[in-house]
Amino acid sequence: QVQLQQSGPGLVKPSQTLSITCAISGDRVSSNSATWNWIRQSPSRGLEWLGRTYYRSEWFFDYAVSVKSRITITPDTSKNHFSLQLSSLTPEDTAIYYCARVRAHENWFDPWGQGTLVTVSS
Amino acid sequence: QSVLTQPPSVSGAPGQRVTISCTGSSSNIGTGYGVQWYQQLPGTAPKVLIYDNTNRPSGVPDRFSGSASGTSASLAITGLQAEDEAVYYCQSYESILSGPSQAVFGGGTQLTVL
Repeated sequence: QVQLQQSGPGLVKPSQTLSITCAISGDRVSSNSATWNWIRQSPSRGLEWLGRTYYRSEWFFDYAVSVKSRITITPDTSKNHFSLQLSSLTPEDTAIYYCARVRAHENWFDPWGQGTLVTVSS
Repeated sequence: QSVLTQPPSVSGAPGQRVTISCTGSSSNIGTGYGVQWYQQLPGTAPKVLIYDNTNRPSGVPDRFSGSASGTSASLAITGLQAEDEAVYYCQSYESILSGPSQAVFGGGTQLTVL
C-alpha cells in the first residue's frame, strides 16, 4: 500500500520561500509508472494543481501557469521523496498543500498526503 | 474561481437520491478527458470515488455512480446515508497551448444529509 507522508513548516513570512517534503513508502519516486504531484487548497482558490515530476529515463517537470515563475519540484531518489519549493510568498499562498500520486495511464490522484497547512504571515 | 463549475450545496434526506453536476468546457471535459469525483471529509485529504467518468475503485459502494456527456459530468448518490455528508469535487484535465494538459478541479459541493 502506497503512503505519502508530508513534512514542513506551517508558518512562513511574506516574500520568503515555502519548502515541503513528501516521503514515499510503497513506491519509488523514480518509478516509470507514476507522476508525483503537488496540489493546494484554499477557501479563495479551491483545489489547485501546482505541478508534478516524473521519471521516464530522465526527469520531467510540469508546472501550473499560475505559479510557474515561483515553483520548483525536486525529486530525491536517495531518500525516496520529492519536495515543493514556492518562492516570493504572499498571504494569497496561505493554503493546505498536498502531495499526491497519479499512476501512468490513469487520471486520478491516489493516494494523497495528509496535507500541510501553510500560513503566510509576518 | 475554479475551472469546473459545481453547485455550492445540495441536500437530501436519508435514503434519497441526490445528484451533483460538474460543468466544464470544450478545453477540458469536452476534449474527452475523463472526469474524476472525490469525497472530502472534514480534516482529511480528498479520496477518489469515481474515475474515468463512471468507474468505482474497489471499496467504494455502488451507491455512488458517475456519468458524463459533452462538457458536463454528474455524480449520483442513492440511498443517502449520514456518513455521506462531505464535500464532493470533480476533476478533469485541461489542454493548454504552452505544454502538457493540467489537472483542473471544480469548486466543491457540500452535501448535507437532512
